[in-house]
Amino acid sequence: SAVISQKPSRDICQRGTSLTIQCQVDSQVTMMFWYRQQPGQSLTLIATANQGSEATYESGFVIDKFPISRPNLTFSTLTVSNMSPEDSSIYLCSVSPGGSEQYFGPGTRLTVT
Amino acid sequence: QKEVEQNSGPLSVPEGAIASLNCTYSDRGSQSFFWYRQYSGKSPELIMSIYSNGDKEDGRFTAQLNKASQYVSLLIRDSQPSDSATYLCAVREVKMNTGFQKLVFGTGTRLLVSP
Repeated sequence: SAVISQKPSRDICQRGTSLTIQCQVDSQVTMMFWYRQQPGQSLTLIATANQGSEATYESGFVIDKFPISRPNLTFSTLTVSNMSPEDSSIYLCSVSPGGSEQYFGPGTRLTVT
Repeated sequence: QKEVEQNSGPLSVPEGAIASLNCTYSDRGSQSFFWYRQYSGKSPELIMSIYSNGDKEDGRFTAQLNKASQYVSLLIRDSQPSDSATYLCAVREVKMNTGFQKLVFGTGTRLLVSP
């Protein structure tokens, strides 16, 4: 498995602003994943981030809205840009150290007012 | 996108009973299957993975896979109130042309274990 930390754990933001979420892993991993979990819903993959290349975004998610950085093998950031109340959600990063099983960080609970 | 279906529940069982959670998936080529437990306000926790047809046991948990029927289940024996949570089924989807992999999650089944 892996030990994953996220910052911030929660935040309340105003409409139109941006928030950057950090994800740190205790070991080097090739791929990091960013998910969104809206209230009462399951997990939806936003994008997959490989070190040294552009992130791969899922249908319905675009880089301008959710820019991702992956500067090294243990760290990634997800920015939620120009936020609206519809972006209120839990944002989760996950990793797959062995390439099969996937482990999740504690999540960032975002409320947009 | 390939689909993963779960009954949303809640599934209510008394303490000590067997809880049976079910999941079906649409991609016949899927090879990897996972069960996550998510307590309210917490992130998903991996509890079981299964890759071959048949049963896989880990403590009170048994995962069952039937690829012909495209069906995977999770049995929880001697259910405890602490097992009350949402259980998410996830299936690995692989794009043949690129090898790109991702997990597709079901909507989860809420389990309530009453004392």
